[in-house]
Amino acid sequence: DADVTQTPRNRITKTGKRIMLECSQTKGHDRMYWYRQDPGLGLRLIYYSFDVKDINKGEISDGYSVSRQAQAKFSLSLESAIPNQTALYFCAVGGGREQYFGPGTRLTVT
Amino acid sequence: SQELEQSPQSLIVQEGKNLTINCTSSKTLYGLYWYKQKYGEGLIFLMMLQKGGEEKSHEKITAKLDEKKQQSSLHITASQPSHAGIYLCGAAKPSGGSNYKLTFGKGTLLTVNP
Repeated sequence: DADVTQTPRNRITKTGKRIMLECSQTKGHDRMYWYRQDPGLGLRLIYYSFDVKDINKGEISDGYSVSRQAQAKFSLSLESAIPNQTALYFCAVGGGREQYFGPGTRLTVT
Repeated sequence: SQELEQSPQSLIVQEGKNLTINCTSSKTLYGLYWYKQKYGEGLIFLMMLQKGGEEKSHEKITAKLDEKKQQSSLHITASQPSHAGIYLCGAAKPSGGSNYKLTFGKGTLLTVNP
């Protein structure tokens, strides 16, 4: 959905580097989520936020941190990237009964 | 924790055939989301079901939530190559007030041969 944007779309980084993935939305929704998708494991929730002052850990938050800079922006950081964090990362935003996903960021950690 | 099982894991059909994908939950469903994903791309929201017995349609795709609210089925009528992709179901888990988070099944890979 063009209303949810993620940057960068692709990134290759080295073990130990710090990297930030950014998500922006123009839908005006309060709820924002970060997921990772791995073959055979499906989508797993990393962090989620129900408003600017609310941050919650998902099922796989170790090794990640987030920042909700504004209602429209939610960033995911890998403080010290490791190879098993290689995955497809999705940001999602939710309002009412709907939840929309961004196009994804393909991250490779070498 | 709530688990979602999708069946089948993969499906190959001939263009024009009907098909059904199932999503079964280990717990009562408070809301069930269906998405479609092209390989390596983003998820496209199809529909959301909340009430037992609710049925919704999006073009030739129909989804239903069963009365006991632990299973949903997604049915495609007269499949086309454009229907090919991965179909994912997601269960909403209440997290206070009107907030929720989603748990997803592992997806069903649909191939439609022309």
